[in-house]
Amino acid sequence: NAGVTQTPKFQVLKTGQSMTLQCAQDMNHNSMYWYRQDPGMGLRLIYYSASEGTTDKGEVPNGYNVSRLNKREFSLRLESAAPSQTSVYFCASLYTAFDGELFFGEGSRLTVL
Amino acid sequence: AQKITQTQPGMFVQEKEAVTLDCTYDTSDPSYGLFWYKQPSSGEMIFLIYQGSYDQQNATEGRYSLNFQKARKSANLVISASQLGDSAMYFCAMRDRGNDMRFGAGTRLTVKP
Repeated sequence: NAGVTQTPKFQVLKTGQSMTLQCAQDMNHNSMYWYRQDPGMGLRLIYYSASEGTTDKGEVPNGYNVSRLNKREFSLRLESAAPSQTSVYFCASLYTAFDGELFFGEGSRLTVL
Repeated sequence: AQKITQTQPGMFVQEKEAVTLDCTYDTSDPSYGLFWYKQPSSGEMIFLIYQGSYDQQNATEGRYSLNFQKARKSANLVISASQLGDSAMYFCAMRDRGNDMRFGAGTRLTVKP
């Protein structure tokens, strides 16, 4: 089973460039999430989509946009990348059941020069 | 929005001993879920244990147990009989009814032989 798949796994950008991180899950989960993790730190919620057709801001949404394309896919876009956005980005999905755990992708390492 | 606090940046424990990792939370929502995740140096996120706000008993999963004190808003993770493979980052997380799920800053656990 694929679970949660993120692409790309590595990316180097120059300041001001744009890019989209793609995320897809094959578990029929309703909720999807984007987190960032800076070195030695915890995960900070960027945006989430509690269900298809909805998106909500998390703790650190500035500089990002998201699209819940369908139930399977949730993309994260950086319109004008900044060095402060250098981080590891995790996509995750969650079933509706309240005791359901988050299933994580492998992470995408982004470096902005 | 809810807030998760982990006050121990790093902890050391002797192999085969028990260790408690602290987590406190703050929310006005009476219905919520509490989670613990492990992140080894390889970077993946591993689900450990779940506790629901209405659960009467503390959750247990093998060597992991959750010391849930609702009045104090604490959800400490207890690892019994520590093993060298337990050395990792540990994150506490909370999910509210709106499926907003946030993480604490983490505790780095080192198990000494």
